[in-house]
Amino acid sequence: DVKVTQSSRYLVKRTGEKVFLECVQDMDHENMFWYRQDPGLGLRLIYFSYDVKMKEKGDIPEGYSVSREKKERFSLILESASTNQTSMYLCASSLVITEAFFGQGTRLTVV
Amino acid sequence: AQRVTQPEKLLSVFKGAPVELKCNYSYSGSPELFWYVQYSRQRLQLLLRHISRESIKGFTADLNKGETSFHLKKPFAQEEDSAMYYCALHTGGFKTIFGAGTRLFVKA
Repeated sequence: DVKVTQSSRYLVKRTGEKVFLECVQDMDHENMFWYRQDPGLGLRLIYFSYDVKMKEKGDIPEGYSVSREKKERFSLILESASTNQTSMYLCASSLVITEAFFGQGTRLTVV
Repeated sequence: AQRVTQPEKLLSVFKGAPVELKCNYSYSGSPELFWYVQYSRQRLQLLLRHISRESIKGFTADLNKGETSFHLKKPFAQEEDSAMYYCALHTGGFKTIFGAGTRLFVKA
């Protein structure tokens, strides 16, 4: 079974803080993704990575950056957290693009 | 524009009743469509994909290119089907577009 693990289930951060969300997968997948999930908006792609040190912007990259130094780990960074970044963040990995395996999600609250 | 539309935010049916979750898409190319499901307190997971033409947990979905639809159907809903369902469109490259989701509530 593919395991995609996000480091935190819940996070509360203050406005202006730098926030790191970590994701690890154990199936040697090339592709990794970060989405945010908001009611009424579905899932929106923030960034994806198709190889170590490779990254591409998704639909809503503003205010975020990513890091992929090792194949199994993909980090999402909020450079200066703002209240409109309060959301559920989902990490996913895939071998074939069209079947993604998701982590359990991190619910981030920015106060 | 590439888009996935799920017109119902919430669908409530009685146990044993048929259920249909609607999905319409907008895409000029050859679409690859999927349904994902998220049960309470569980992670989002793939339910089915149109190319496999399979039935999973009693659910089926047929791609209708003429109507640009990929509705998810089950003839007899069960309480354990209560979940959030997302229709998704893969548009090539690394891009998958998700709909806004439909919450299905199956009443006893």
